[in-house]
Amino acid sequence: DSGVTQTPKHLITATGQRVTLRCSPRSGDLSVYWYQQSLDQGLQFLIQYYNGEERAKGNILERFSAQQFPDLHSELNLSSLELGDSALYFCASSVQAEGTQYFGPGTRLTVL
Amino acid sequence: GQNIDQPTEMTATEGAIVQINCTYQTSGFNGLFWYQQHAGEAPTFLSYNVLDGLEEKGRFSSFLSRSKGYSYLLLKELQMKDSASYLCAVRSDYKLSFGAGTTVTVRA
Repeated sequence: DSGVTQTPKHLITATGQRVTLRCSPRSGDLSVYWYQQSLDQGLQFLIQYYNGEERAKGNILERFSAQQFPDLHSELNLSSLELGDSALYFCASSVQAEGTQYFGPGTRLTVL
Repeated sequence: GQNIDQPTEMTATEGAIVQINCTYQTSGFNGLFWYQQHAGEAPTFLSYNVLDGLEEKGRFSSFLSRSKGYSYLLLKELQMKDSASYLCAVRSDYKLSFGAGTTVTVRA
């Protein structure tokens, strides 16, 4: 158990819908990262927040957005969902902006 | 951008040693990580190298050569539970880029 928590564990929804994934970092960690992992793409970095501010952006679609709240938990919002968005979404956290990242258990999103 | 290469699959016998190679090309380098991932589960941190040389941690060791853009993960005394995917990841400008992973199968 890494200490990073994610909810929900599973999510099944339809195309065109919007969902919110939630992540709580390890106690004391200031940085949160979001990743998408699909079978054909591997683990892809989406976005990073550090102490409430966006720090780095990866291959995140415009339909996706994220934020980190004052209590340091983070949410990833996915809208206008498409079949291809079906994937495992992982959150990771680290103490510093460039520290070792520890991953949460992931949210498995299925878009039907 | 990042270009990270590692073999797709490797098979080894219980009790043996396996070496997983990773080569990378990057516009900037600030450390190399190895993670273990069992199917459907979260990646688990194994090792971190930022300077050249060997880092040993129990049955697992990791080596880095920055001039060659090369790292390897050495798994010793293989156990059945070591059957998993091993991900090489390079950090650059706050971003961690992952290789596609090497699936290691340990046979009895």
